[in-house]
Amino acid sequence: DTAVSQTPKYLVTQMGNDKSIKCEQNLGHDTMYWYKQDSKKFLKIMFSYNNKELIINETVPNRFSPKSPDKAHLNLHINSLELGDSAVYFCASSQNRGAADTQYFGPGTRLTVL
Amino acid sequence: AQTVTQSQPEMSVQEAETVTLSCTYDTSESDYYLFWYKQPPSRQMILVIRQEAYKQQNATENRFSVNFQKAAKSFSLKISDSQLGDAAMYFCAYRGGAQKLVFGQGTRLTINP
Repeated sequence: DTAVSQTPKYLVTQMGNDKSIKCEQNLGHDTMYWYKQDSKKFLKIMFSYNNKELIINETVPNRFSPKSPDKAHLNLHINSLELGDSAVYFCASSQNRGAADTQYFGPGTRLTVL
Repeated sequence: AQTVTQSQPEMSVQEAETVTLSCTYDTSESDYYLFWYKQPPSRQMILVIRQEAYKQQNATENRFSVNFQKAAKSFSLKISDSQLGDAAMYFCAYRGGAQKLVFGQGTRLTINP
């Protein structure tokens, strides 16, 4: 059984479009995250939710909006896509929000903006 | 803010040999955790090993071990008996009070048969 799943795995779209990436975890974890991996493979946190509450919101354009309908799901909606948004987006989850809690990653979604 | 530095963009090793990947970090916190993640071509991020800063004993997981030097803020990963399946990007990561994972730039490891 997949622990952290993301859909879609690949997403190709035109500039200016709006798109969403979905994430689900079946680990019973309380905390979920979105990371962005750029073309140089650098990984950076974007958002984190704990029990549906936003706890980390890094410097991310307002075009990016996370939504957590329940603690097993954390979706990422992106408005007015730009070329620079092309990247791999990873969802992750951990039992709790503490430093000791290992984060488990999804398979990633490769977003290509044309 | 915490930073993590991996000074080796690429490393290569002969199959069955041992290789060490370097990682240094900067923090003013005393309680934190350090991780090594592996990212094979499949793109999946896989946890390799973790170390609690308050533990002096170095963590080990089968062929993977770390050399944690807290005073020097160094956290290197040693892979023994390298296998072809170890070929991947390896990321060192830090997690402290801010709760987010801070990653290094990554080291691409190639295994030569």
